[in-house]
Amino acid sequence: KNEVEQSPQNLTAQEGEFITINCSYSVGISALHWLQQHPGGGIVSLFMLSSGKKKHGRLIATINIQEKHSSLHITASHPRDSAVYICAVRFSGGGADGLTFGKGTHLIIQP
Amino acid sequence: DTEVTQTPKHLVMGMTNKKSLKCEQHMGHRAMYWYKQKAKKPPELMFVYSYEKLSINESVPSRFSPECPNSSLLNLHLHALQPEDSALYLCASSQVLLYGYTFGSGTRLTVV
Repeated sequence: KNEVEQSPQNLTAQEGEFITINCSYSVGISALHWLQQHPGGGIVSLFMLSSGKKKHGRLIATINIQEKHSSLHITASHPRDSAVYICAVRFSGGGADGLTFGKGTHLIIQP
Repeated sequence: DTEVTQTPKHLVMGMTNKKSLKCEQHMGHRAMYWYKQKAKKPPELMFVYSYEKLSINESVPSRFSPECPNSSLLNLHLHALQPEDSALYLCASSQVLLYGYTFGSGTRLTVV
């Protein structure tokens, strides 16, 4: 069964802390996405990775294809970063396939 | 234009109503998707259209009927829904052989 596991499920931290969210998956993938969703809101795509590392502002995403693992880091966290962060993968194969989602990490940054 | 636009943003409908959700993108993406998301759960794939043809139907009840009239538009027709169908319905698009996804902001559907 193709699975995506995220940890932690819930994370509360103080403003300014360095945040790490982890994602692991069971079989080969063609791409991994990190997504952000605010309560009651739609989904925003933060990163798409197939190898290596990407950085955008205070967000950094890394992927290790051999270990089937990815991490999302937030530096100098801020209360506006409070949201659900979702890891989603597109398992290997051609064509148009849907994403398989992790259960999400509910992040709260306290001022 | 780098957005997926969904309308309406909110919809309340009775169990005997017929309504439609609309999704539009002008990025030239040839794959479009409908997802259903219940509260505090990850999205679940419902339908995939590739080059305007239905390529994946994840055993969705027939009260949900998708339609892709052209490469920019995706509709979801709703009929005789149940209260348990209340959810956030998300549309997304991507290139078929490339993997970047763009999501719409969703339609919050309440069935009464």
